[in-house]
Amino acid sequence: DAGITQSPRHKVTETGTPVTLRCHQTENHRYMYWYRQDPGHGLRLIHYSYGVKDTDKGEVSDGYSVSRSKTEDFLLTLESATSSQTSVYFCAISGAEGVTGELFFGEGSRLTVL
Amino acid sequence: GEDVEQSLFLSVREGDSSVINCTYTDSSSTYLYWYKQEPGAGLQLLTYIFSNMDMKQDQRLTVLLNKKDKHLSLRIADTQTGDSAIYFCAESLYSSASKIIFGSGTRLSIRP
Repeated sequence: DAGITQSPRHKVTETGTPVTLRCHQTENHRYMYWYRQDPGHGLRLIHYSYGVKDTDKGEVSDGYSVSRSKTEDFLLTLESATSSQTSVYFCAISGAEGVTGELFFGEGSRLTVL
Repeated sequence: GEDVEQSLFLSVREGDSSVINCTYTDSSSTYLYWYKQEPGAGLQLLTYIFSNMDMKQDQRLTVLLNKKDKHLSLRIADTQTGDSAIYFCAESLYSSASKIIFGSGTRLSIRP
């Protein structure tokens, strides 16, 4: 299994509070991604990173920011959480750009915003 | 635009074949994938097919690609209870791992 750890795995917070989710990898892969999974929507890309300090927006980036100061860590921050951000968040990594593009996923972080 | 569509549910009898279908809209897709998600877990790649192929077989799995109709299917032969999961179709654009679009997932349930 790819070495991907997400923390926290579960979090309950209140509207308006900041939240940071962490993704840590031990594979030294270049690409890291944050997706959210919601019923009926599948997985939607929030942000991704193609190297240290190199990030870009996905299809649902509003309300989220990311940072990657080290190859192994990719942080997702909700500056002021809203109920619409209640979701399961998945981190994924990929090291094979231009080949098959296979993604390896973490186990997910379930966030509930009350 | 980019869109991947699949039906939400499929129920099959144990031992029968399961066929999960997917349609996509972007003709520039280079790779198409099937991922499997078991309860409480992340997604795992089951199989993939390059866009210049029509079919790929891997043990009990058969992937068929109709590029003209932008239709992808996954057939699971001799479906077992361990195949119960959500199956996601996904497409990769421009050979780029940074641009993988997922469908909404098909929940496969197995009845005895």
